[in-house]
Amino acid sequence: QSALTQPASVSGSPGQSITISCTGTSSDVGSYNLVSWYQQYPGKAPKLIIYEGSERPSGVSNRFSGSKSGNTASLTISGLQAEDEADYYCCSYAGTSTYVFGTGTEVTVL
Amino acid sequence: QVQLVESGGGVAQPGRSLRLSCAASGFTFSSYAMHWVRQAPGKGLEWVAIISSDGSNKYYADSVKGRFSISRDNSKNTVYLQMNSVEPEDTALYYCAREKSADGFDYWGQGTLVTASP
Repeated sequence: QSALTQPASVSGSPGQSITISCTGTSSDVGSYNLVSWYQQYPGKAPKLIIYEGSERPSGVSNRFSGSKSGNTASLTISGLQAEDEADYYCCSYAGTSTYVFGTGTEVTVL
Repeated sequence: QVQLVESGGGVAQPGRSLRLSCAASGFTFSSYAMHWVRQAPGKGLEWVAIISSDGSNKYYADSVKGRFSISRDNSKNTVYLQMNSVEPEDTALYYCAREKSADGFDYWGQGTLVTASP
């Protein structure tokens, strides 16, 4: 149950697109199309923004999109806005009803 | 509206026990698996445990296996986390979260803080 690997920080200017990677193994990300992504503001609970790799819950902006290739999942934020400045975590199903989170990425809007 | 409210956190000496509760409302509690997720101060999220909707299946992270126990009372719409033999590494904000059909946690509580300290 090792944490999935994410870059510690990613930054971009308003209007740009950024991509956050989430690298796991063939036992988690690579084996299941069950990667979710969460946005967390300081002092707040996480919020689900992507599930099943690429699906958005109702109410989540279509500027957020998810994808997967092999053992790596990715979250892309297009048209970056100041309100997107937050921490982002990926999470993958890892078999036998267990889950593993990523190390987290701090997004900075320049 | 869906609400999850955790309670029971506090200071516990290493080796002692603590029981966390999470009261749910606004949805059919008995239809959903529930999870506990924790976050150490300034650190990332760590999945801790899951209990199935009827309470018959429970799974744990390796870091807490054998020390923590998850349970639920569907008549009280409440999920619990019994923490035994707490260690300093268990210091964290503990969230309960509702599972969204085997992928993702769609609702979270605000968390309850556990501090394991002499």
